[in-house]
This record gives sequence, C-alpha cells and structure tokens, in this order.
Amino acid sequence: NAGVMQNPRHLVRRRGQEARLRCSPVKGHSHVYWYRQLPEEGLKFMVYLQKENIIDESGMPKERFSAEFPKEGPSILRIQQVVRGDSAAYFCASSERGNTEAFFGQGTRLTVV
Amino acid sequence: GQQLNQSPQSMFIQEGEDVSMNCTSSSIFNTWLWYKQDPGEGPVLLIALYKAGELTSNGRLTAQFGITRKDSFLNISASIPSDVGIYFCAGQLAFGNEKLTFGTGTRLTIIP
Repeated sequence: NAGVMQNPRHLVRRRGQEARLRCSPVKGHSHVYWYRQLPEEGLKFMVYLQKENIIDESGMPKERFSAEFPKEGPSILRIQQVVRGDSAAYFCASSERGNTEAFFGQGTRLTVV
Repeated sequence: GQQLNQSPQSMFIQEGEDVSMNCTSSSIFNTWLWYKQDPGEGPVLLIALYKAGELTSNGRLTAQFGITRKDSFLNISASIPSDVGIYFCAGQLAFGNEKLTFGTGTRLTIIP
C-alpha cells in the first residue's frame, strides 16, 4: 500500500458519538482522497483534499461529515453524531499530484452500535 | 452520477485457468485503473491505463483501455491461489477531476 497509514484500523462508536479517522499519506504526497465502502460494494468517493484546501467534496454528506488536511499532520475525516448507517470501511488514498496513481491505506472499519 | 458496470460479479475457476473480466461505462474516462482488494485490506493498484487503445501487462496480468474510452478489460493468465480476491476497475473522468469512480467488483474464487 505504498505507505499510506490509517488509524485506527477498527473503531466502534455508539450512536450519537463522534468518530475521528486519521490518514497519513505517503511522504511527499500532497493530495488525499477519502472513500467509503459498504460490504459487497465498490468504493464511493467522498472528498478530495490538497494541503489545507478542499478541492472536491461532492461525495460527502453535507451534514455531520467534515474533512481536513492541515499543513502539518494527518488528514482527518470527522463524523459527528454517528448513526448505524455510517458503519462502513473508510479508505484514504494519496497521490503525489493530481492525475497520478493513488495509493490506498488499509482502511478504518467503523461500526456504530 | 457516473456508473461503472463490471462483469462478471463472481467467478469460480480452477487453478491454471485464464480469467477475463471487463468494465463498461456510460461516460468517457480519461484513465482506467485496475485494483485488487484482499479481505480486510485496502485496494492495491495492479495496472494503470492512460491512452485509448493502450494494452499494458504486469506479469500475468494484461489490461486494455478500450478505443471508445468507455470500457476496459483485465485478463489474468494461468491463475494461481494468490489471485483470489476482489478485482475493481476504476475510472478517472477527466484531467482536473481527480476522483475515481469504482466498479462493483469481480470476486475471484479458485476451486482446488
């Protein structure tokens, strides 16, 4: 997976709590993408960030979801007031620049109970 | 939104057989990518295609970017047990629009 690190690997939250998912891209990569995968389905695009900027958030729900990629530190996907339907695998990918190959992390599996 | 239709959904083959799967789209894509995903892991890039008509190989894997830019196929020759997994195609719509649209996946099972 070319060094994209995601943590935690597994996250359990009760309904109404907040979930924070972290992604450290490959060293030197300034483009980060977040995808969501439901069981037996393909990955669905959520948001594309380039250091400190959100480039495309067309796949991210308007309510409760937010993403950031600060100048220093990992990219964070935050889900507030989680509901059962948020249970899924969330994958982060990074690329050196747009239109180059993106490498995926191992994902965070969120379970809302 | 964009949709990629991937077929077949699943395949059951014997070790040593060749495998073929394909992806079709209602839209033109600028780039086609093929990924493999093992259980509990993230997708791993197998082959990237950047030009219509391009045929690219990676070991026993061969993929082609259809000339209409609306389809792509992946062939695996002489399958081995470690080929088991889910294969996804993904398309990148256009330069300047870097997000990937993924197919629904082809689950490959090798019968002993």
